[in-house]
Amino acid sequence: QVQLQESGPGLVKPSETLSLTCTVSGGSVSSGSYYWSWIRQPPGKGLEWIGYIYYSGSTNYNPSLKSRVTISVDTSKNQFSLKLSSVTAADTAVYYCARAYGTFDYWGQGTLVTVSS
Amino acid sequence: DIQMTQSPSSVSASVGDRVTITCRASQGISSWLAWYQQKPGKAPKLLIYAASSLQSGVPSRFSGSGSGTDFTLTISSLQPEDFATYYCQQANSYPITFGQGTRLEIK
Repeated sequence: QVQLQESGPGLVKPSETLSLTCTVSGGSVSSGSYYWSWIRQPPGKGLEWIGYIYYSGSTNYNPSLKSRVTISVDTSKNQFSLKLSSVTAADTAVYYCARAYGTFDYWGQGTLVTVSS
Repeated sequence: DIQMTQSPSSVSASVGDRVTITCRASQGISSWLAWYQQKPGKAPKLLIYAASSLQSGVPSRFSGSGSGTDFTLTISSLQPEDFATYYCQQANSYPITFGQGTRLEIK
């Protein structure tokens, strides 16, 4: 059974960089069959895809966030990470990591990140 | 970007009812559509992929249909655990986009 777990600070100051890590168990980020994604959901709102990374390191980002997003992978630790720079209150959301093959079949439980001074 | 529009935004129904939720894509997406169920405080759960394929472990009262631009999710006989928010998602082209959600409430 694949499991994903997000970790990182729950509070980030405006203009700083949000950093989260997703640890995968029961599966490998080196699997060539899947893409490893980040998705977010502002409180009370819908879902927004942030981007994905393939085990090779190739990435694809949502154009709406592309200038501020970096997703990386560490195959030795079976983890992938998200960095979102220059955050504002609008980036306050629950951040999910997920396994994807176009469709997201396994999700982490989500972690709330609040942007506030 | 492909816009995904769900209707209705909310619906009230009773246990045992049949409910249909619609999702329309702003351009054709073939069968690259998935449906998710989300309960408060939880991550979305995959119900349907490729428009009509039931994810393993999902009850057979859930079904999906459609192709191109118009899709439906049907719950044949509502159970108490089905009251949740449902999202559609297109996987035809990037960026991946979701519908705004349909909240299914108890009447």
